[in-house]
Amino acid sequence: ETGVTQTPRHLVMGMTNKKSLKCEQHLGHNAMYWYKQSAKKPLELMFVYSLEERVENNSVPSRFSPECPNSSHLFLHLHTLQPEDSALYLCASSQELWFPSYEQYFGPGTRLTVT
Amino acid sequence: EDKVVQSPLSLVVHEGDTVTLNCSYEVTNFRSLLWYKQEKKAPTFLFMLTSSGIEKKSGRLSSILDKKELFSILNITATQTGDSAVYLCAVDQGAQKLVFGQGTRLTINP
Repeated sequence: ETGVTQTPRHLVMGMTNKKSLKCEQHLGHNAMYWYKQSAKKPLELMFVYSLEERVENNSVPSRFSPECPNSSHLFLHLHTLQPEDSALYLCASSQELWFPSYEQYFGPGTRLTVT
Repeated sequence: EDKVVQSPLSLVVHEGDTVTLNCSYEVTNFRSLLWYKQEKKAPTFLFMLTSSGIEKKSGRLSSILDKKELFSILNITATQTGDSAVYLCAVDQGAQKLVFGQGTRLTINP
């Protein structure tokens, strides 16, 4: 069983809605990540947090707003999304930011559909 | 622009067959190449390759890296239906930056 959980697992929202994705890790890790996986596209890194501070923002539109209140929780706040934002959003965590990348543990993802 | 390209994008074989999945890359920084298996949702780690020509093996799966030609292959012998998944290749650029390929969707028919 993965030590990274994500809720909800599925989300359908309209373009004018505001919703949030939640990620929680039970592994005692200090770094957390948001990835986007669109159909037929590579997994894309969106945000990186280390000890609750954002260290990476890969040119993600402002309609995606991350929040990391503590090292165990990561949120992705969504507002005024576009249909092309429909994708699988994966959360991951690792012990520390400089640990080998293969030691990222992924959550099960949230399948987001924007109508 | 950094990119990782996997081929084929989709592959359907019969149980017992041997398959080879390909991954080529062009990146500015390279620390290692990673293979993941993604069933349903969460990718799970398979191999990390850092040196050319050294085969990594785990059961029926094996992988090798060619840093001169900038590619890696993942072999699966005697495939089983449980091997059906999306196989992801990624280049680790350090500082937790992973550049992923599009993935190969492998389907094993009984």
